[in-house]
Amino acid sequence: QQQVKQSPQSLIVQKGGISIINCAYENTAFDYFPWYQQFPGKGPALLIAIRPDVSEKKEGRFTISFNKSAKQFSLHIMDSQPGDSATYFCAASYNQGGKLIFGQGTELSVKP
Amino acid sequence: NAGVTQTPKFQVLKTGQSMTLQCAQDMNHNSMYWYRQDPGMGLRLIYYSASEGTTDKGEVPNGYNVSRLNKREFSLRLESAAPSQTSVYFCASSKGLRNEQFFGPGTRLTVL
Repeated sequence: QQQVKQSPQSLIVQKGGISIINCAYENTAFDYFPWYQQFPGKGPALLIAIRPDVSEKKEGRFTISFNKSAKQFSLHIMDSQPGDSATYFCAASYNQGGKLIFGQGTELSVKP
Repeated sequence: NAGVTQTPKFQVLKTGQSMTLQCAQDMNHNSMYWYRQDPGMGLRLIYYSASEGTTDKGEVPNGYNVSRLNKREFSLRLESAAPSQTSVYFCASSKGLRNEQFFGPGTRLTVL
């Protein structure tokens, strides 16, 4: 049972473009939605996170958009750079269970 | 601080062999986790330990056992390795179940 569905599986973007990765969830009890970034040969690392009391959170070129009614959230990378090439994972957790449930991952490649 | 360390980095086993993957963290975190990462499947939780002295099954626990040796160390054991256990294994830790998880560099395991 996949509680967090992520798309697309892979994404190719030109340098300077906007990268958009989408996630959908089923459990309405989820109340914490982080994004992790993983470079080849490394472990994932927290990039940015949001809670459902806000619809958008921005940190530099990275923005999370959250749509509670649609049970969807997305990561936008503005002015994408080759150094952003990595695998991105969305995740979700809820208070009673606590532990994170990850999406399937999106492999982003930014072409120069 | 080294963060989360894992040993070994690479391992090749034959079907039926056993081995233990070691994980240690120096951040005084309470919670620790073991994940496996397979192409197109994202990060799947094998076992986790919410706090010292407790362990719980995750999404894919079959064929694995864990030991929370102390607050710093959390090991994963494969009693009788199978080719289906070929994967990259990540250990992670966090202050609590709801907090940011910090990942180790991973162990790439091949079972022939």
